[in-house]
Amino acid sequence: EIGMTQSPATLSVSPGDRATLSCRASQSISSNLAWYQQKPGQAPRLLIYGASTRATGIPARFSGSGSGTEFTLTISSLQSEDFALYYCQQYNTWPPALTFGGGTKVEIK
Amino acid sequence: EVQLLESGGGLVQPGGSLRLSCAASGFTFSSYAMSWVRQAPGKGLEWVSVISGSGGSTYYADSVKGRFTISRDNPKNTLHLQMNSLRAEDTAVYYCAKDRGKVGATSLDYWGQGSLVTVSS
Repeated sequence: EIGMTQSPATLSVSPGDRATLSCRASQSISSNLAWYQQKPGQAPRLLIYGASTRATGIPARFSGSGSGTEFTLTISSLQSEDFALYYCQQYNTWPPALTFGGGTKVEIK
Repeated sequence: EVQLLESGGGLVQPGGSLRLSCAASGFTFSSYAMSWVRQAPGKGLEWVSVISGSGGSTYYADSVKGRFTISRDNPKNTLHLQMNSLRAEDTAVYYCAKDRGKVGATSLDYWGQGSLVTVSS
């Protein structure tokens, strides 16, 4: 099983500032990585797939980068609605076995 | 508009069974793989199972293999998860989610609101 590690566990950021979230895979997953946002009481929402492609309707302030084992989600200027939990997820295995990171909570500083 | 609506959750005793359903609308259901993902209270996301668009291929997480069965009824646009031999550690909100592809499991672009399953005596 491919392990996914996210850091930091909690990120305190002021509105308008940049947030940088990290995700590391235990082995190379090429660019087969997705990022999700989850708010309390809600289902996750797909933000990024293919490591860097924004999903439909996702604002341009969200960007993803990386390949192999190291990935980054950047929120360029945090809005109030961006304070939430963020998960990375790999989909590089066959047979399919999706694995998620433990999450990063982005909170208001 | 894509909509996924889960049903069938509830309280069940250890060793019992439960069947979740997910009614899909707003897209060509048979053209996409579908997954179940669960989230234990206060915990992270755990993928459970995926079924191909045709229903011919199914895959499971090791934690549920042999106990859970995923299936789909394409004419009725419905996804199911039959859960047997339930354990306390299966307690979670169960989400159905649409895959971006037809075969295998990739990224999940639409999710239902979730259905809570509680396994307790």
